[in-house]
Amino acid sequence: LAKTTQPISMDSYEGQEVNITCSHNNIATNDYITWYQQFPSQGPRFIIQGYKTKVTNEVASLFIPADRKSSTLSLPRVSLSDTAVYYCLVGAMDSSYKLIFGSGTRLLVRP
Amino acid sequence: GAGVSQSPSNKVTEKGKDVELRCDPISGHTALYWYRQSLGQGLEFLIYFQGNSAPDKSGLPSDRFSAERTGGSVSTLTIQRTQQEDSAVYLCASSLGGQGNTGELFFGEGSRLTVL
Repeated sequence: LAKTTQPISMDSYEGQEVNITCSHNNIATNDYITWYQQFPSQGPRFIIQGYKTKVTNEVASLFIPADRKSSTLSLPRVSLSDTAVYYCLVGAMDSSYKLIFGSGTRLLVRP
Repeated sequence: GAGVSQSPSNKVTEKGKDVELRCDPISGHTALYWYRQSLGQGLEFLIYFQGNSAPDKSGLPSDRFSAERTGGSVSTLTIQRTQQEDSAVYLCASSLGGQGNTGELFFGEGSRLTVL
């Protein structure tokens, strides 16, 4: 099982770009990299997913180097409402798998 | 349903009592997961189901915990003889499952369990 390592916390200011990196040295060939966002008293929700190179959607970008041993979630121009915990999850694509979340990164966005 | 539904949303019980937590996944989702989240902590994997079977139960913290899923849909997590350390939010998630699926998890709002 691919274990993930993330920074425990990060601080930022409104309008800045935030990059959160996740290490997953023993990622397997079939594994996808997925990022989730969790607000207090809510379940996590999907942000973005990728397999290799770069993926972009309306809320974030995900950068994955060629060796896939790490990934970086990029949040452009954060706002106060982006204050949350962000989890990196590595797991097989068919979902019949024991999906283990890392400890997450607590992002605080200040005015 | 439109999303993953969990009940009860809040449960307060006395130490030693049994509790049942229910998860109703998104219709058609074959994979179902249970996680536990203690206050201020990350998500602790408990168990997952593919259909009605649970290939790996090693995440359950003790033999007081059990889970079942019937009809490939609703799942129940049962905690017997609850202890104070069982107090946490229990989160359920479902996913389409199967080959070719990228495994996006859809979470419910959780069941907050408080053991007095």
